[in-house]
Amino acid sequence: SSELTQDPAVSVALGQTVRITCQGDSLRSYYASWYQQKPGQAPVLVIYGKNNRPSGIPDRFSGSSSGNTASLTITGAQAEDEADYYCNSRDSSGNHPLVFGGGTKLTVL
Amino acid sequence: QVQLQQWGAGLLKPSETLSLTCAVYGGSFSGYYWSWIRQPPGKGLEWIGEINHSGSTNYNPSLKSRVTISVDTSKNQFSLKLSSVTAADTAVYYCARGRSGRVVVTAFYYYYYYMDVWGKGTTVTVSS
Repeated sequence: SSELTQDPAVSVALGQTVRITCQGDSLRSYYASWYQQKPGQAPVLVIYGKNNRPSGIPDRFSGSSSGNTASLTITGAQAEDEADYYCNSRDSSGNHPLVFGGGTKLTVL
Repeated sequence: QVQLQQWGAGLLKPSETLSLTCAVYGGSFSGYYWSWIRQPPGKGLEWIGEINHSGSTNYNPSLKSRVTISVDTSKNQFSLKLSSVTAADTAVYYCARGRSGRVVVTAFYYYYYYMDVWGKGTTVTVSS
C-alpha cells in the first residue's frame, strides 16, 4: 500500500497531552518522520527514526511505533504547537517512493 | 548550517513546462537524497520525486510521465521540470534534503527516512 492515514483534526487543552497517529502498511518496516507546518511556512522536521528530535525541537515532542501505526505525542501542549502535522515514510513496495499522510490539524484550546 | 535556496518562474500558462532549481549552501551534496515536494492551496503535502548525488532518480508514480529531476554537482544544485502543466499543478513547491538508513530491531531491519532541511518554497500559479 502507498497510503498513510491520519485523522484530519485533533484538539487538545493547553498543557495537556495529545497523540497524533499515522497508519500504513509501510510503517511495519519503516519508521515515520513527522513534520510541523504553520501557516505560510515550510514544514519543519520534529521527529525522525525510532524517537529522535532534531536540535531545537522541544522534548515535549516524542514518537513511537507499533505494528502499522506511528504516533507523535506532545506532552504538555503549548499554544505555539497549534499547526498542521504530517507523517512521512517510504512505501515498502516497488521503487520505495515517498508518501505523506494527509495531515492532522492540531488545535490547542 | 545547510541552507536550500530555490527559484524559478512563478506564473505559467497551461501546457507550459514548470522549471525550478534548488541550490545547496553550507554542506555536502553527496550522501543525501534531494527531493521536490508540492502543496496545493489549502491541501496537504505531495512528494514529487528525488535524486541523489550520482543522478539516480525516483518519482511519484502519479507524476512520473511529466517529471524530470536532474542534478548539477559542480554547482551543488538540483532542478525540477514538470511538463504540460494545468491548473491542478498550482501549488507551493519545496525542495528538501533527505537522509535514510536502517537499524536492527530484534533481529529485523527497520528503515528510516527523513527530510531535515527544507527550502522556503516557491509559489507556482498556472493560469491562462
